[in-house]
Amino acid sequence: AQSVTQPDIHITVSEGASLELRCNYSYGATPYLFWYVQSPGQGLQLLLKYFSGDTLVQGIKGFEAEFKRSQSSFNLRKPSVHWSDAAEYFCAVGTTGGYQKVTFGTGTKLQVIP
Amino acid sequence: SQTIHQWPATLVQPVGSPLSLECTVEGTSNPNLYWYRQAAGRGLQLLFYSVGIGQISSEVPQNLSASRPQDRQFILSSKKLLLSDSGFYLCAWRQENTEAFFGQGTRLTVV
Repeated sequence: AQSVTQPDIHITVSEGASLELRCNYSYGATPYLFWYVQSPGQGLQLLLKYFSGDTLVQGIKGFEAEFKRSQSSFNLRKPSVHWSDAAEYFCAVGTTGGYQKVTFGTGTKLQVIP
Repeated sequence: SQTIHQWPATLVQPVGSPLSLECTVEGTSNPNLYWYRQAAGRGLQLLFYSVGIGQISSEVPQNLSASRPQDRQFILSSKKLLLSDSGFYLCAWRQENTEAFFGQGTRLTVV
């Protein structure tokens, strides 16, 4: 069965600083990988996705993520964080084939300080 | 374009009362449909998913059930709510091998 690990429950960064959120996955085949962002009391918005091809993917709001098969990782990065980036971030893996499940990590809550 | 509607946005129900949360999708056909529950520090727990009308798979045995009476309608139900059913419930849809799209969620408080 697939799984996702986000080792950092809570991260605090200063506005303007760089950001990296870690994500490791476990899946037997080539995964579909996603990063979502959630503001309090809201649904989830897709930031970016990886299906195949270039392992560095660009997303919305200036985010990017790099797929590293050898490390089973899909870390999210942003060079300069804005106060509006404060939210909770979820990494997810989507299965291919029959069951079409999307499994999420436990999330990383980002706090941005001035 | 595709849209997903989920209601109600908030719900306060007494212990032992029934539950019905509804989710509908527009602008796509034969989507995969999902119910997730979110609790603090536990991420999104997949409760049910459906690949077609009347086809429901349960991920976690519990006090809830799901039904898909129409292609783009997904309903989460309970006959008798427990305190532990409180949480934030999210409906999502996905076409094969694409990303999932989420509704705005329902905050359920069982009192």
